[in-house]
Amino acid sequence: DADVTQTPRNRITKTGKRIMLECSQTKGHDRMYWYRQDPGLGLRLIYYSFDVKDINKGEISDGYSVSRQAQAKFSLSLESAIPNQTALYFCATSRSSGRSEQYFGPGTRLTVT
Amino acid sequence: EDQVTQSPEALRLQEGESSSLNCSYTVSGLRGLFWYRQDPGKGPEFLFTLYSAGEEKEKERLKATLTKKESFLHITAPKPEDSATYLCAVRGGSEKLVFGKGMKLTVNP
Repeated sequence: DADVTQTPRNRITKTGKRIMLECSQTKGHDRMYWYRQDPGLGLRLIYYSFDVKDINKGEISDGYSVSRQAQAKFSLSLESAIPNQTALYFCATSRSSGRSEQYFGPGTRLTVT
Repeated sequence: EDQVTQSPEALRLQEGESSSLNCSYTVSGLRGLFWYRQDPGKGPEFLFTLYSAGEEKEKERLKATLTKKESFLHITAPKPEDSATYLCAVRGGSEKLVFGKGMKLTVNP
């Protein structure tokens, strides 16, 4: 079984709709992250959480919100989706050590029409 | 501001033709340089972490090296299955990873 899972894997939605992407992990890591990936722009950090009570904005948080429901679960919401939020979204986890690598989920391909 | 630049953006090699990928970086207080491999439609897969200049790590046909300004990912005698996008990232004092835009490697049989 995968250590980091994301649901859904693919989603097509319309402009203005609210959508939630979910991430679960079985690695026992405290830290979780949400990224988006766009062609030619690389991976950009949306939000990150170092523990259940600690949530921080990343580089591109406008238009997004998150919820850390438990150590193992971190969800990303688009309150009112817009077409330029069409992208690949990845969840990642890491141990608490500042030198630890991040482990990524399989991604969610989101299309906003 | 931490920055990562990868070059070239794309590289085509023949099977067995060795080459190197470059990752140049600027960071305040390096706390790690990370290499990832990403296959189409999949999440990045962790390869290596390097922490200090002069450090080297190897895995199969891949070898990563680090200087104070750049890292190289050397690919020796590549095979078609090495075709992927390779990502470089750095972590500085902010503890956030900053990624480069990636380098797409194609190895032809």
